[in-house]
Amino acid sequence: EAQVTQNPRYLITVTGKKLTVTCSQNMNHEYMSWYRQDPGLGLRQIYYSMNVEVTDKGDVPEGYKVSRKEKRNFPLILESPSPNQTSLYFCASSPPTSIKYNEQFFGPGTRLTVL
Amino acid sequence: GIQVEQSPPDLILQEGANSTLRCNFSDSVNNLQWFHQNPWGQLINLFYIPSGTKQNGRLSATTVATERYSLLYISSSQTTDSGVYFCASGGGADGLTFGKGTHLIIQP
Repeated sequence: EAQVTQNPRYLITVTGKKLTVTCSQNMNHEYMSWYRQDPGLGLRQIYYSMNVEVTDKGDVPEGYKVSRKEKRNFPLILESPSPNQTSLYFCASSPPTSIKYNEQFFGPGTRLTVL
Repeated sequence: GIQVEQSPPDLILQEGANSTLRCNFSDSVNNLQWFHQNPWGQLINLFYIPSGTKQNGRLSATTVATERYSLLYISSSQTTDSGVYFCASGGGADGLTFGKGTHLIIQP
């Protein structure tokens, strides 16, 4: 089944404890991205990657890191989480985006709480 | 960037009713997606519809790109249709721009 998977789905952690949220897709998509969803602010892009080893900042990159060593994986790293990073996080992927933006497919979401 | 506006913001219906959700966008687009966010928070792809009309079971969507709007039709609503419906456009470096959503409640 074609899908985007994220782990963990739920996580409660404490301020400053490094964590990684994994994202994997099995559709051979070049483009991957991370969003966070917050009440009143909607969904905002954190980082995106056009292809392997190519990553760039989205609208709200502060406090996050990403890497794209393989096409299928795009982990989101919080080196020192803070309470303002409590949010619902989504990973997404799509075929290449150049002239035309293709359909994006979203993972099931990771609900993160930082105490 | 592109602005996406959805209406109505909230909608409460009885089971079996039909509904139309609207999405207006500020500029020409070459993609448009409709999503359903269920009560568990999952974003479900409903339609990728840059133009024209598509149908999937009780749901259908129409995008009139020249007039910068898209409509999502839900017929014979079921309680499982409850949730928030988003339209979104764009991608790439700017990411998808989402509307604020329509919060739909289907009562039994």
